[in-house]
Amino acid sequence: DQQVKQNSPSLSVQEGRISILNCDYTNSMFDYFLWYKKYPAEGPTFLISISSIKDKNEDGRFTVFLNKSAKHLSLHIVPSQPGDSAVYFCAATDSGTYKYIFGTGTRLKVLA
Amino acid sequence: KAGVTQTPRYLIKTRGQQVTLSCSPISGHRSVSWYQQTPGQGLQFLFEYFSETQRNKGNFPGRFSGRQFSNSRSEMNVSTLELGDSALYLCASSLSPSGGGNEQFFGPGTRLTVL
Repeated sequence: DQQVKQNSPSLSVQEGRISILNCDYTNSMFDYFLWYKKYPAEGPTFLISISSIKDKNEDGRFTVFLNKSAKHLSLHIVPSQPGDSAVYFCAATDSGTYKYIFGTGTRLKVLA
Repeated sequence: KAGVTQTPRYLIKTRGQQVTLSCSPISGHRSVSWYQQTPGQGLQFLFEYFSETQRNKGNFPGRFSGRQFSNSRSEMNVSTLELGDSALYLCASSLSPSGGGNEQFFGPGTRLTVL
C-alpha cells in the first residue's frame, strides 16, 4: 500500500518556466512533509519541508504548498533552471512512528 | 565536515550469498536509517538505529538485518540473497531520531547487483 504517491514519473519544462511537482498521500496522521532532490550516483539531498500546521513554505525559487483536506502537496520551482534536472522525491512522516515514507519520485528535465 | 559515507559503492553477488553494507554517519549524528531504492518503488524504509538500538523497522523479511556500533557507524546485512534484492541501498543520518524537523542527510548509496 503506497501511502505517498507521485503519479507523474517524469516531467519536462522549458528553462525559465514554472515546474510543478505533485504528491498525494493517504495517511491523515502525517504531519511533516519533505522534498528531496536526487542526482544520478548521489544520495538524495534535502530541499524543503513543511509542517502540517502551515499551508505554504518558501525558500528562494522553491515553494511547497500543502492542502490537508485534499491530502496533496506540490513543489513549485520558479524559474526552472537546467541544473534543477533531477529526480524529486516527496516524503512524509508522523510524530507517532517517526518513519519517513517516500514517494516513487518524479524525474524533472529542464530544457535549455 | 565529512558527509555520510557508504562502503562499498558497488557490489555484485550471486543468489544465496550474504552481504554486509557499511555506513558512517556525519560526525555527531547518532541516528542512522537505511532505505532500499528500486525503479518504480521509490525509497523503501528498512530500519532506523539510534544509540545502538533499533527504533523502527519497515516491512522487509528477516533476511534483512542491521546493527549500530557505539561510534554510530551502522552495518546492514542481507542473507540468502535473491534476485529481487538488487537495488541501491541508501543510508541516511540525522542528529536525533527521524521525525518532524530532523533533516536526514543521505550517503551516495551502495549499488547491489544479485546475479
